[in-house]
Amino acid sequence: QKEVEQNSGPLSVPEGAIASLNCTYSDRVSQSFFWYRQYSGKSPELIMSIYSNGDKEDGRFTAQLNKASQYVSLLIRDSQPSDSATYLCAVNYRANQAGTALIFGKGTTLSVSS
Amino acid sequence: NAGVMQNPRHLVRRRGQEARLRCSPMKGHSHVYWYRQLPEEGLKFMVYLQKENIIDESGMPKERFSAEFPKEGPSILRIQQVVRGDSAAYFCASSLQSGGSYNEQFFGPGTRLTVL
Repeated sequence: QKEVEQNSGPLSVPEGAIASLNCTYSDRVSQSFFWYRQYSGKSPELIMSIYSNGDKEDGRFTAQLNKASQYVSLLIRDSQPSDSATYLCAVNYRANQAGTALIFGKGTTLSVSS
Repeated sequence: NAGVMQNPRHLVRRRGQEARLRCSPMKGHSHVYWYRQLPEEGLKFMVYLQKENIIDESGMPKERFSAEFPKEGPSILRIQQVVRGDSAAYFCASSLQSGGSYNEQFFGPGTRLTVL
């Protein structure tokens, strides 16, 4: 059973702080990893993708991947109230050579207070 | 708008009726995925299609659900004889590539199905 685990939260941080979101996955052969943001009642929005061990930065967002520990994280610097949303971790599941279904965690709810 | 399009955005059906959900992928994308999000649940993969082919339907319920992506026109997810448990948000996503490491999937706005 391939699984992606996230703390459901809520994770509460004050405006301007760093929010740290974590995710672990069970399938060692997974190759690609994604973070999506989902506002209440809306669809998931891709904010970061990462494929290699290490850090990847994009603006206020940094994704970190450690394949040996099967761990992915997302850091949000200078958190803003508009960052308040549910953050979904997704992992590529290769069902076969062409299969690229994503397995999603249940998401972590982030609340940024002003 | 070059994004993924889905319609209808909201669909109400009575038990036993059929629901048809449509998805047009982003321009240039030929890979389509359907996901379902039940209340208080995570997103669950249902089916992956390319033009005229179902590639992976491992997440699709065995009965009442079917999907297609014809040569012309949108992808369609069809639910026959709907039951209350089918009430959920159904999202379509598309990607430019498949396999390998670079299959970023972009989601449409979703269809919210309510079964009365």
